[in-house]
Amino acid sequence: DSGVTQTPKHLITATGQRVTLRCSPRSGDLSVYWYQQSLDQGLQFLIQYYNGEERAKGNILERFSAQQFPDLHSELNLSSLELGDSALYFCASSVDYHRDRSNYGYTFGSGTRLTVV
Amino acid sequence: AQTVTQSQPEMSVQEAETVTLSCTYDTSESNYYLFWYKQPPSRQMILVIRQEAYKQQNATENRFSVNFQKAAKSFSLKISDSQLGDTAMYFCAFTEGGSNYKLTFGKGTLLTVNP
Repeated sequence: DSGVTQTPKHLITATGQRVTLRCSPRSGDLSVYWYQQSLDQGLQFLIQYYNGEERAKGNILERFSAQQFPDLHSELNLSSLELGDSALYFCASSVDYHRDRSNYGYTFGSGTRLTVV
Repeated sequence: AQTVTQSQPEMSVQEAETVTLSCTYDTSESNYYLFWYKQPPSRQMILVIRQEAYKQQNATENRFSVNFQKAAKSFSLKISDSQLGDTAMYFCAFTEGGSNYKLTFGKGTLLTVNP
């Protein structure tokens, strides 16, 4: 167990539907990152939150949105789903850089496998 | 923008032998971190090793070591005494230091360890 919890592990849904993926970061980590990994692809950065605020945006579609709540868990909302959205979605968290620079790193959850049919 | 390049899409090695995976990166930053992640068939992302740019000494973690050449912007991973369980996709990743920034990944190298 990495300490980053993602639910659900698997999700099968139809085109046009909307789903929500959930991520709980490691205890004490303020920053959450979302990545998409399509079949045989690398990891594409979607969005980052830091202590409740959006920090950085990558190639995230307008149909996708995210937020980070006061308890620091994050949700990624995917709407109007298309077949091409089928992928593994990872959440990662990182320790606050200024608190622990010598151990700075990223911990990944086990991912949510989304299949759009 | 920072970029990470892994020029070897696939590699194979015999069990117990040594293999080196290549990674180059491009950045104008002086403070940054480099990582190697392993992704086995389970698809879990597992941290293998990390290197802080300010540290001259190459990082090592048991059978895994890196050759960090800062001037050449090269960060290769050496796996010694390869084991069947090392079969996985390996990703090189970069992040700026100074604050909490995103990780940028290379496209990965699929390593197969043969018995």
